[in-house]
Amino acid sequence: QVRLVESGGGVVQPGRSLRLSCAASGFTSRNYGMHWVRQAPGKGLEWVAVIKNDGSKTYYADSVTGRFTISRDNSKNTLFLQMNSLRAEDTAVYYCAKDVRQEAAALDQWGQGTLVTVSS
Amino acid sequence: AIQLTQSPTSLSASVGDRVTITCRASQAISNSLAWYQQTPGKPPKLLIYDASTLPSGVPSRFSGSRSGTDFTLTINSLQPEDFATFYCHQFNNFPITFGQGTRLVIK
Repeated sequence: QVRLVESGGGVVQPGRSLRLSCAASGFTSRNYGMHWVRQAPGKGLEWVAVIKNDGSKTYYADSVTGRFTISRDNSKNTLFLQMNSLRAEDTAVYYCAKDVRQEAAALDQWGQGTLVTVSS
Repeated sequence: AIQLTQSPTSLSASVGDRVTITCRASQAISNSLAWYQQTPGKPPKLLIYDASTLPSGVPSRFSGSRSGTDFTLTINSLQPEDFATFYCHQFNNFPITFGQGTRLVIK
């Protein structure tokens, strides 16, 4: 059974940093691309970043480029999102999601999400 | 970035109805489109990928189609558990984008 469990969310002041983790189990994570998708309170889905199965390529939304870094440790089946220079508009539930392919396609498994609140 | 415009934004229907939601892409994206269903407080669930492929476990009353840059999600014979918000998602070009969502409510 595929399971994705996010952690690391919380309340942080503007300009500070936060690191999210996503523990994967129930599948061979090194075979699939992995994404972060966020959802601000009461709003729609916003794609954040993707990392290729082997970690060789990463892509980002324009809104986070230069501030966020996606990475993975396939030996530990864990996905990360390092978030720097956080802004109020980064407040959202952050989901990690598994791709159906190695890089970027549909997202067939999602975690329950972790809430990040950026506020002074 | 490719824009995905969903219509309608909101839709009311009854159990047993057939409903159609459309997603128009601002440029060609081949069949690189997926549909998701989300209920409040839950993560999205994949319904359709590659424009018309149903993942294992998704009921056959859900279907997807494509005509050029217009994509359609059809739900036949609505069930009570189908009332939710639906999103389209393109993965043909970076940055990946989602539609703004269509809220399906009970009439």
